[in-house]
Amino acid sequence: DSGVTQTPKHLITATGQRVTLRCSPRSGDLSVYWYQQSLDQGLQFLIHYYNGEERAKGNILERFSAQQFPDLHSELNLSSLELGDSALYFCASSVGRQTSYEQYFGPGTRLTVT
Amino acid sequence: EDQVTQSPEALRLQEGESSSLNCSYTVSGLRGLFWYRQDPGKGPEFLFTLYSAGEEKEKERLKATLTKKESFLHITAPKPEDSATYLCAVQGRTSYDKVIFGPGTSLSVIP
Repeated sequence: DSGVTQTPKHLITATGQRVTLRCSPRSGDLSVYWYQQSLDQGLQFLIHYYNGEERAKGNILERFSAQQFPDLHSELNLSSLELGDSALYFCASSVGRQTSYEQYFGPGTRLTVT
Repeated sequence: EDQVTQSPEALRLQEGESSSLNCSYTVSGLRGLFWYRQDPGKGPEFLFTLYSAGEEKEKERLKATLTKKESFLHITAPKPEDSATYLCAVQGRTSYDKVIFGPGTSLSVIP
């Protein structure tokens, strides 16, 4: 158990809908990262937050947004969902601001868009 | 652009048969190279961080090494419980806080 929690574990929704994925980092970690993993794309970095502030964006679509709250939990919002958004979404946390610190991953949320 | 490739894509070993996984990277100024293990349907589990060429780290049957262009994950006398996908990732000085993951090597250890 990495200490990172993600909810829900599974999510099934229809195209065009909006969903929110939630992540709680390990105790003491200030950085939260979001990743998308699909069979054909591997693990893709989406966005990084440190202590409530956005630090870096990766291949995140405009339909997706995220935020980190004062209690350090983070939410990833996915809207206007398409079939291609079906994937595993992972949250990871680390202690520092730099990504050179090791990251601890949560169990993931499996999103299925039908 | 920073890039990471891994080989082989898949590896099947007999229990006790040692081997190595390769991670080749192109990055502008390496800040860190990471190895993770991922079991099916689960989040990646951190194994090692390497920062500079010549560095080595060990954990049980695993040993990671780093050169200026590649990293190797050596697996000595593997057991079936070592079966997993092994991911390599890099962070470069111009990556703007992004970590780039390779596609992984799927390892199967047969009893």
